[in-house]
Amino acid sequence: EVQVVESGGGLVKPGGSLRLSCAASGFRFTSYSMNWVRQAPGKGLEWVSSISSDGSHKYHADSVKGRFTISRDNAKNSLFLQMDSLRADDTAVYYCVRDLGSSSAFWGQGTLVSVSS
Amino acid sequence: QSVLTQPPSVSGAPGQRVSISCSGNDSNLGAPADVNWYQHLAGTAPKLLIYANNNRPSGVPDRFSGSKSGTSASLAITGLQPDDEADYYCQSYDISLSALVFGGGTKLTVL
Repeated sequence: EVQVVESGGGLVKPGGSLRLSCAASGFRFTSYSMNWVRQAPGKGLEWVSSISSDGSHKYHADSVKGRFTISRDNAKNSLFLQMDSLRADDTAVYYCVRDLGSSSAFWGQGTLVSVSS
Repeated sequence: QSVLTQPPSVSGAPGQRVSISCSGNDSNLGAPADVNWYQHLAGTAPKLLIYANNNRPSGVPDRFSGSKSGTSASLAITGLQPDDEADYYCQSYDISLSALVFGGGTKLTVL
């Protein structure tokens, strides 16, 4: 069974850092690009970051460029999102997504990140 | 303001047909870039409904169909069921922004 399970969310103060993790199972992790997508309270979905299957190519939305870094550990079937200089408008549920934009897209349940003093 | 434009809400009675539009421009849907549709029930993981404009993943009922023409796309749902009540999002790629983009989402209410 395909599974992607996010963890690492929580409450953090503005300017702080948080590292999200996504544990993948049930599929060949090394064959797929991976993504982070977020949804702020009462808002729609927003693409955050993407990483190629081998980790050699990384892409970030302008809203997080320079503050967030996507990475992966293919040996451990894991995806990460390092979030620095967090702001209140980064508050959202963060979803780990396999192969967004393709026929094999698969979403996790999400992890909540709250940025507040 | 989302790059792709969707109506905030649509509604229909059980058994009826509804359509959800998704409007873009020449940098995304008109590039031409494929459009995908996702169904998001509150508190659950979003689910792929339609990929590459008009293709259904296995397990998605044929009551759901997609189409695309120029800079616009639409999702049609026939034989509405109460379980269809959810938020629906279109998604594509924008070559000017070099970014994956979503519509603002459409809330479907089954009356």
